[in-house]
Amino acid sequence: QVQLRESGPGLVKPSQTLSLSCTVSGGSISSGGYFWSWIRQHPGKGLEWIGYIYYSGSTYYNPSLKSRVTISVDTSKNQFSLKLTSVTAADTAVYHCARMNGDYSSAFDIWGQGTMVTVSS
Amino acid sequence: DIQMTQSPSSLSASVGDRVTITCRASQSISRYLNWYQQKPGKAPRLLIYAASSLLSGVPSRFSGSGSGTDFALTISSLQPEDFAAYYCQQSYSAPYTFGQGTKLEIK
Repeated sequence: QVQLRESGPGLVKPSQTLSLSCTVSGGSISSGGYFWSWIRQHPGKGLEWIGYIYYSGSTYYNPSLKSRVTISVDTSKNQFSLKLTSVTAADTAVYHCARMNGDYSSAFDIWGQGTMVTVSS
Repeated sequence: DIQMTQSPSSLSASVGDRVTITCRASQSISRYLNWYQQKPGKAPRLLIYAASSLLSGVPSRFSGSGSGTDFALTISSLQPEDFAAYYCQQSYSAPYTFGQGTKLEIK
């Protein structure tokens, strides 16, 4: 079955750029009907949707983060990626990649285990 | 943005109890409401989509109801593995938003 796995640095300095990748296994990222998302969870807090990308490259970002976020896709590697610029301590969180499935009312039906990113000097 | 408000924020219950968690949207979202379960250190797990459709493999003791702005997740007979956090999420319009969560604890 389809699985997602995040990868990237666990520590980022303030004002720098957070970069994470999500590798899709067990299926093709180019399959239609899915939007590939990033979601974060601040320590002990709720969930915040960051944005999504379709395999064609079209994106939609949360307006609260839009000025700092870029999500890209590499279909040859079956991966999609997140870049978040000018990070501060408020960006410290667990970052999940997830699949949004149109067959399930656009719910997030598959999630990566998440990767903790700490912003600190 | 559509605001999602869950209640209660925490709940203590015993094995075998019937519990209900509610979720209210700040505007009508039809039936574009999904429920997730999250255990410590794990990713959220989709339980119910489209307000009341049970994902394959999810035990039938879980059920969802509602439409418009008011929704509920009911667990008919709590099992030990059900003690976790639960989140509602609207998929009606971006930005997609989640409730603040309900922590279900053992009494």
